[in-house]
Amino acid sequence: EVQLVESGGGLVQPGGSLRLSCAASGFTFSSNAMSWVRQAPGKGLEWVSAISGSGGSTYYADSVKGRFSISRDNSKNTLYLQMNSLRAEDTAVYYCAKRGSYSHWYFDLWGRGTLVTVSS
Amino acid sequence: DIQMTQSPSSLSASVGDRVSITCRASQSISSYLNWYQQKPGKAPKLLIYSASSLQSGVPSRFSGSGSGTDFTLTISSLQPEDFATYYCQQSYSTPPTFGGGTKVEIK
Repeated sequence: EVQLVESGGGLVQPGGSLRLSCAASGFTFSSNAMSWVRQAPGKGLEWVSAISGSGGSTYYADSVKGRFSISRDNSKNTLYLQMNSLRAEDTAVYYCAKRGSYSHWYFDLWGRGTLVTVSS
Repeated sequence: DIQMTQSPSSLSASVGDRVSITCRASQSISSYLNWYQQKPGKAPKLLIYSASSLQSGVPSRFSGSGSGTDFTLTISSLQPEDFATYYCQQSYSTPPTFGGGTKVEIK
């Protein structure tokens, strides 16, 4: 089955760290660029970060640049998001998503999401 | 960054109605416009990519049109399962950006 399954969310204090994982199956993971997209409670969608299939190129939203780090392990078919210096405004459901085109960032497969809550 | 503006932010419609949602980009994005459907508590689902291409498995009552800065998602005959929030997203440049969403509710 073609799917993405996120894990690693939870409650963390402001200034803390968390690492999210996304396990992929049913497609050739290493051939596909991947992204993280988040959604704050009751709000819209916000792109967070992206990585090429090889892992050699990474991209970040200005709101997380310098605090978050995206990576992947193609031998494990797993995508990661390391989140440091977390703030209350990072509270959201975090989705991993597969890029649907070789050259343009739209997303044709999404995971169910994992909730990150930043609060003291 | 390219700003995406959707209208209306919400609408009420009945089963069988024809519904249209518009999306405007802050600059020309050619045809690099995509539409997603999201139901409460679920992940977004890709409906339309490149302005008018129907994603595999999506019913043909969904269609997209437009180019440049103005785009439209149309549902030709609204079905009960179509009540959801719809988002547009530009893939012309990085960062990819989303519209604020349009919630389609039952009248």
